[in-house]
Amino acid sequence: KQEVTQIPAALSVPEGENLVLNCSFTDSAIYNLQWFRQDPGKGLTSLLLIQSSQREQTSGRLNASLDKSSGRSTLYIAASQPGDSATYLCAVSPLGSSGDKLTFGTGTRLAVRP
Amino acid sequence: DTGVSQDPRHKITKRGQNVTFRCDPISEHNRLYWYRQTLGQGPEFLTYFQNEAQLEKSRLLSDRFSAERPKGSFSTLEIQRTEQGDSAMYLCASSRSGALKDTQYFGPGTRLTVL
Repeated sequence: KQEVTQIPAALSVPEGENLVLNCSFTDSAIYNLQWFRQDPGKGLTSLLLIQSSQREQTSGRLNASLDKSSGRSTLYIAASQPGDSATYLCAVSPLGSSGDKLTFGTGTRLAVRP
Repeated sequence: DTGVSQDPRHKITKRGQNVTFRCDPISEHNRLYWYRQTLGQGPEFLTYFQNEAQLEKSRLLSDRFSAERPKGSFSTLEIQRTEQGDSAMYLCASSRSGALKDTQYFGPGTRLTVL
């Protein structure tokens, strides 16, 4: 059974800092990995999707890397802003599917202090 | 494209009552997913549809839960004889099968409170 772990569970940083969120998964037979953002009481917003054949994806100040063999992904946020405060979730989908049945981690709750 | 919508956004019910939630996916998306999220946890997969066919159900989906997608467009999730343990956020997502990236787009969720 796939298990996804995210470290740290919570993080507080001053505005302007660069930061790294970590995600690990136990079964490397994945189809893709996604990073999502969730604001309190709201749904999820997809940030980045990395196919299993890719090593990284970038969008603006966000960069996600994937090391499938070691079962790890990182989300790098450059020059953090108070508006980045949210919970960040990573999720993997199993090989043999085309992206269904995501398994999520428990998230990292990020607070960026002005 | 108005995104994935869910109705209602909040539902408070008494234990033992039946509740039904609705999800309207992005119009060209043929895949629709239901997830459940409890406080402090990530979402957990419940079930998914491709068009009107329900292709997979999680063991989390007890006999009290039923989901339908009768015409391959909107979907409903019904919970019968609700229990306090059913209190959670119910999230719907949709995607387009065959697309390279298969990104799932999530709705705002329905928050259920069972008293």
